[in-house]
Amino acid sequence: GDSVTQMEGPVTLSEEAFLTINCTYTATGYPSLFWYVQYPGEGLQLLLKATKADDKGSNKGFEATYRKETTSFHLEKGSVQVSDSAVYFCALSGEMGDYKLSFGAGTTVTVRA
Amino acid sequence: NAGVTQTPKFRVLKTGQSMTLLCAQDMNHEYMYWYRQDPGMGLRLIHYSVGEGTTAKGEVPDGYNVSRLKKQNFLLGLESAAPSQTSVYFCASRRTGGNQPQHFGDGTRLSIL
Repeated sequence: GDSVTQMEGPVTLSEEAFLTINCTYTATGYPSLFWYVQYPGEGLQLLLKATKADDKGSNKGFEATYRKETTSFHLEKGSVQVSDSAVYFCALSGEMGDYKLSFGAGTTVTVRA
Repeated sequence: NAGVTQTPKFRVLKTGQSMTLLCAQDMNHEYMYWYRQDPGMGLRLIHYSVGEGTTAKGEVPDGYNVSRLKKQNFLLGLESAAPSQTSVYFCASRRTGGNQPQHFGDGTRLSIL
């Protein structure tokens, strides 16, 4: 079945540092890929998405590129802020019509001032 | 602009008690989902619905039941609560069509003593 593996945390960074969170997936066909972010005490919010190979999703300075050859969707940000402290989830939606999401375990990121 | 609303936000139950979690969405979405979030495990799908009057099992359905009598509401029931069901529960919805993201509620924190 479909599955997502993402880099384990926690990750602690200083402000303005570069952030990378690795995500790889296993799925048949051409899934859609997502990054969701969860701020403390809140639900998940869509951060960015990509729906086909070589697509690049971007939002709020974060980027991720759909790499089918390496089955990866790594999240990057060039200069993090304290406000980026959150839990980040990589997820995929398969080609079935029910559009179920399979999530990675989540990576907790803490940015220090 | 409510989006997805979950009721209640917190609840403490004793083993063996029953309860119902309510999810309501005002976006006229066809698809609705119930997940549970446990430390280090990401989100796991409990049950889902692809339209009014339909329900289907997800990855971890045992001990839960659901109903979708109205398009805007998706109820999750615990008939006889067990400590293993202590978790944070999230509801999500999405519109029809490929590549659409799921929209999440803020979650219900449930403790079973």
